[in-house]
Amino acid sequence: EDQVTQSPEALRLQEGESSSLNCSYTVSGLRGLFWYRQDPGKGPEFLFTLYSAGEEKEKERLKATLTKKESFLHITAPKPEDSATYLCAVPWYYNAGGTSYGKLTFGQGTILTVHP
Amino acid sequence: DADVTQTPRNRITKTGKRIMLECSQTKGHDRMYWYRQDPGLGLRLIYYSFDVKDINKGEISDGYSVSRQAQAKFSLSLESAIPNQTALYFCATSVTGNQPQHFGDGTRLSIL
Repeated sequence: EDQVTQSPEALRLQEGESSSLNCSYTVSGLRGLFWYRQDPGKGPEFLFTLYSAGEEKEKERLKATLTKKESFLHITAPKPEDSATYLCAVPWYYNAGGTSYGKLTFGQGTILTVHP
Repeated sequence: DADVTQTPRNRITKTGKRIMLECSQTKGHDRMYWYRQDPGLGLRLIYYSFDVKDINKGEISDGYSVSRQAQAKFSLSLESAIPNQTALYFCATSVTGNQPQHFGDGTRLSIL
């Protein structure tokens, strides 16, 4: 089963102070990686899918990158509204009775706080 | 309207009570999932269903049961609630196993 580890557990930034969040994983074969944002009292909201090493995706102040062992979520010039918990997840599969089953393994998340 | 709707949003109940959490979706996805989220433990999979006739246990299914009444409806039951089942519960859907899952806004369950 895949293992997914996120660091740091919590990150405090000043508005405009760029930084990166890390998601490292052990997989038997890369099948993709997902990034989510979760606000307090809400369900995780899908941000990005990355399927192959070297791939990058961008959305506003966020850019996700992927290598063979880890993914980074770069936050450029963050604003207070970027404060949230950021989760990464990796899909993994197993076969039973001729059927292929897929599930997600989630990291524990990074709590990002951006101060004005 | 939300694509994945969970009811109730909050519930406080007593030990030993039977509780049902409901999830409905308008995304047309075959796959549905139930997770619980606890501080420091992240999201853990309770049960998942790939269609109405296919239900599978996740990593923490003990003490829970599910019912897939239709493609759009997936319910989670706690037959006899205990305090360590106090948590935030999420329902999610997906098209396939390697596509993103889409989550409801959760049910905050407190068991006294």
